Amino acid sequence: GAVVSQHPSWVICKSGTSVKIECRSLDFQATTMFWYRQFPKQSLMLMATSNEGSKATYEQGVEKDKFLINHASLTLSTLTVTSAHPEDSSFYICSALPTSGSYEQFFGPGTRLTVL
Amino acid sequence: GQNIDQPTEMTATEGAIVQINCTYQTSGFNGLFWYQQHAGEAPTFLSYNVLDGLEEKGRFSSFLSRSKGYSYLLLKELQMKDSASYLCAPSRDDKIIFGKGTRLHILP
Repeated sequence: GAVVSQHPSWVICKSGTSVKIECRSLDFQATTMFWYRQFPKQSLMLMATSNEGSKATYEQGVEKDKFLINHASLTLSTLTVTSAHPEDSSFYICSALPTSGSYEQFFGPGTRLTVL
Repeated sequence: GQNIDQPTEMTATEGAIVQINCTYQTSGFNGLFWYQQHAGEAPTFLSYNVLDGLEEKGRFSSFLSRSKGYSYLLLKELQMKDSASYLCAPSRDDKIIFGKGTRLHILP
């Protein structure tokens, strides 16, 4: 149980285009999901907290207009990188916090984004 | 704010024991996670400490001292597959704050 999927697992896009990444909790409901970004040999940096039915909460320094987050259901959150640039190339990972009250977040397998 | 300090790299021998230390300063501290992360993969959960003391789970144990802002992860009977990064991650308000991690190299 407690499986989180991400789609796509990797994506290559041209500079200036937008890319959408999906995060799904497959066998549990998650009111709260988190989006992280990780550059090579760096730590996972929390970008935003996604709450079902309400606006996401962004961490300091993360542009909300560039990284659009939608959490329309208890099992799906999406992150859209708008007008992507090469510096947005990174490993994007989501995690989901079960609505049941578990302290443990369950991580997706990550999405490797390369912007040419 | 938060400040997490753990060694950047460590090397140990297969079959041995290694202890990875972590100190942290986190406002609104709830508890502390340890995660394992292999290159190019998402982190996997190892342990979560809320109270002071040692939690043992098979070959892995984790210790927490809240008053000292200190934790360690102890890995016993090291195996080659334990070569990975180990992330010390304090939590506050359901958010997990990750340190840069300790890259552990296991030698045969």
